Amino acid sequence: DGGITQSPKYLFRKEGQNVTLSCEQNLNHDAMYWYRQDPGQGLRLIYYSQIVNDFQKGDIAEGYSVSREKKESFPLTVTSAQKNPTAFYLCASSIANTGPFFEQYFGPGTRLTVT
Amino acid sequence: SQQGEEDPQALSIQEGENATMNCSYKTSINNLQWYRQNSGRGLVHLILIRSNEREKHSGRLRVTLDTSKKSSSLLITASRAADTASYFCATAPKPSNFGNEKLTFGTGTRLTIIP
Repeated sequence: DGGITQSPKYLFRKEGQNVTLSCEQNLNHDAMYWYRQDPGQGLRLIYYSQIVNDFQKGDIAEGYSVSREKKESFPLTVTSAQKNPTAFYLCASSIANTGPFFEQYFGPGTRLTVT
Repeated sequence: SQQGEEDPQALSIQEGENATMNCSYKTSINNLQWYRQNSGRGLVHLILIRSNEREKHSGRLRVTLDTSKKSSSLLITASRAADTASYFCATAPKPSNFGNEKLTFGTGTRLTIIP
């Protein structure tokens, strides 16, 4: 899991509540990413950030929000507008902000369950 | 079908045998990456192969890339119980003027090594 930490490992929330997932990296990487993984599925990109104070929507950004105030941190908020929030969330980083041209380093993931 | 589809979806082999997984994709790529995911964990980068490369090795791993067929294969030789995991290919498109290229993951091959 390298130098990326995600907390908590398991998170339970009631429907209608916003929840924020933490992602911190000490790799001095410029780019950071949030993915969602559903059972038996590949990863889908939610948001990504190539530089501090800037971020872009991925393929499934609706119902999510992010911030990138520090290079080391890229928290993800799952809002009540996200219709199916229960999933495994993975944060990743890569050394360069020049797109996906380098390998990505992943955190251990947060499993979010909303009931 | 999606960019980056792995085949087979699941594979069970005896310890010591070789395991081969395939990945097909649709659009031109800058590179193709293979990742491993142990159950409930984050992804670990294995190998990145660029579009002008045909083969790469890393320990017991051998990756080939055939851009004319838009396909790649991952070979794990002399498999071990610890190789039990899901394996994902991910494709990075060729750079564009927009700078919004993203890594696209397949749905993975679940490999089980039988001791």
